[in-house]
Amino acid sequence: GDSVTQMEGPVTLSEEAFLTINCTYTATGYPSLFWYVQYPGEGLQLLLKATKADDKGSNKGFEATYRKETTSFHLEKGSVQVSDSAVYFCALRRPGNQFYFGTGTSLTVIP
Amino acid sequence: EPEVTQTPSHQVTQMGQEVILRCVPISNHLYFYWYRQILGQKVEFLVSFYNNEISEKSEIFDDQFSVERPDGSNFTLKIRSTKLEDSAMYFCASSDAGANYGYTFGSGTRLTVV
Repeated sequence: GDSVTQMEGPVTLSEEAFLTINCTYTATGYPSLFWYVQYPGEGLQLLLKATKADDKGSNKGFEATYRKETTSFHLEKGSVQVSDSAVYFCALRRPGNQFYFGTGTSLTVIP
Repeated sequence: EPEVTQTPSHQVTQMGQEVILRCVPISNHLYFYWYRQILGQKVEFLVSFYNNEISEKSEIFDDQFSVERPDGSNFTLKIRSTKLEDSAMYFCASSDAGANYGYTFGSGTRLTVV
């Protein structure tokens, strides 16, 4: 069945450090891939998405590229800020179906 | 930007009681969903709803759960007899199509069963 495997946390970085959160997936067909972010005390917010192979999703300095050959969708940011501290969820969804989420990676950025 | 609104934000209930979690999806959306997140665990799908009926449900969504769209704007999740393990964050979501579109999630209702 469909599933998402996400790098376990927690991750602690200093401000301006480079961030990578790994995500790989298993799915039949051609899913869309997503990163959602959950700030403390808030709900899930869509951070970025990619709907087909080689697409790059980007938002707020974050990027992820849909790699079909490695079934991956790693999240990156060149220079993190304290305000990026949150839990990040990788997810996939095939057309007309439910979301499958990873377990989430908690990121703490320290000044 | 349109939002999915959930109420209440936090609800505490006694074990065995019935609770109703409320959601107002985005007005022109046709597909509605409930997900839950037990503290520290992944977000799990519960149910999807389209055209006034359940279109898909997970094994978590057993007979104690039900969903309803009582009017043109609300979408509710009822838990008939709450158990301690029902304590979780419950997220409502809606989408305007079932294809390659992201949902819009609400901010969640934290349910605490004591």
